[in-house]
Amino acid sequence: AQTVTQSQPEMSVQEAETVTLSCTYDTSENNYYLFWYKQPPSRQMILVIRQEAYKQQNATENRFSVNFQKAAKSFSLKISDSQLGDTAMYFCAFMKQGAAGNKLTFGGGTRVLVKP
Amino acid sequence: SQTIHQWPATLVQPVGSPLSLECTVEGTSNPNLYWYRQAAGRGLQLLFYSVGIGQISSEVPQNLSASRPQDRQFILSSKKLLLSDSGFYLCAWWRQGKNIQYFGAGTRLSVL
Repeated sequence: AQTVTQSQPEMSVQEAETVTLSCTYDTSENNYYLFWYKQPPSRQMILVIRQEAYKQQNATENRFSVNFQKAAKSFSLKISDSQLGDTAMYFCAFMKQGAAGNKLTFGGGTRVLVKP
Repeated sequence: SQTIHQWPATLVQPVGSPLSLECTVEGTSNPNLYWYRQAAGRGLQLLFYSVGIGQISSEVPQNLSASRPQDRQFILSSKKLLLSDSGFYLCAWWRQGKNIQYFGAGTRLSVL
């Protein structure tokens, strides 16, 4: 079974600065997807970014970018120019391509606090 | 466009009472549907998923059950709630092609 580990329970960053969240996963699969979701205080889960394992190019979405290291099974999220609205829980997730039911496996989350 | 609705947003129930949480998806057909539970400050635990009408897969043994009476409707139920059933429940659906899972707004359940 796949596991996803987020080793940083909590991080804080000053507004306008950069913060990097780590995520590692354990799998024997070669084809899979990785995701970062954001959960603000409203608790709505919002997709931040998605990466397909077969793509070597790191995904970016505005101020959010990932560093995908397939051999190391690492998928970190960088938030640049942090804004107060970035304060949230961030969850890393894994899905094996073709998995029954397209089930995601989530990490335990990292709480990010952006300070003014 | 596709949307997911989940209700109620908040629910307070006494121990031993029944439960019914409902989730519907609009703008798509035959989606994969999911129920998750999230304890305070914790990650998401997949409870059930469904790949079609009447098809339910349970991920963890528990006091809850799920049903899918219609293509875009997913219901989470219990006959008798326990204190340990308290938590935040999220419904989600899988969008084929985009390969993304989208979530509802969640239900905060307190069992007292």
